[in-house]
Amino acid sequence: DAKTTQPPSMDCAEGRAANLPCNHSTISGNEYVYWYRQIHSQGPQYIIHGLKNNETNEMASLIITEDRKSSTLILPHATLRDTAVYYCIATNQAGTALIFGKGTTLSVSS
Amino acid sequence: KAGVTQTPRYLIKTRGQQVTLSCSPISGHRSVSWYQQTPGQGLQFLFEYFSETQRNKGNFPGRFSGRQFSNSRSEMNVSTLELGDSALYLCASSGSGLNEQFFGPGTRLTVL
Repeated sequence: DAKTTQPPSMDCAEGRAANLPCNHSTISGNEYVYWYRQIHSQGPQYIIHGLKNNETNEMASLIITEDRKSSTLILPHATLRDTAVYYCIATNQAGTALIFGKGTTLSVSS
Repeated sequence: KAGVTQTPRYLIKTRGQQVTLSCSPISGHRSVSWYQQTPGQGLQFLFEYFSETQRNKGNFPGRFSGRQFSNSRSEMNVSTLELGDSALYLCASSGSGLNEQFFGPGTRLTVL
């Protein structure tokens, strides 16, 4: 699996968009980018995944650069409940043998 | 649809003992993965089972083992417990193909 690099922490004001970057410069052609988050003391929660096209679901949008070396997770209107550790993972293991890094701790404040 | 369940939720053991943790996946899911989470090492992949066969394995010693039953329920076993095995053990299930994993609440193991 490709190594991913994320900033250790980010702050966001409630109601604003939260843009979480991830670098995966060594990603191979068959590796997908997955995003998960973990709210304190809970199991991780799947957010979104993509290969090369931008993706959107009810939780977030995923923007992948054309060269696939980086991506951005966008939470369009962050709320206090979005405070969590966000993990970006690049994998070709059908999404089932996930290698988690340290992630980004997102703090949303009012 | 019921989520992933793990039992027990909390467990206290002493060094040298062994422990078995159980995971019931979401109905219809055939893949079960196990992870260990500690403050120092973060979330680490242990192993994954699919249709009763271990399909992937992380970098853990042989004291950590698992199995999956025909109904997709899974157990993991840790023998000869060490203090460093104190952790939150998470189980996740997924369906076939490229799918998201659904995580359970975890079992908090404390080794004294």
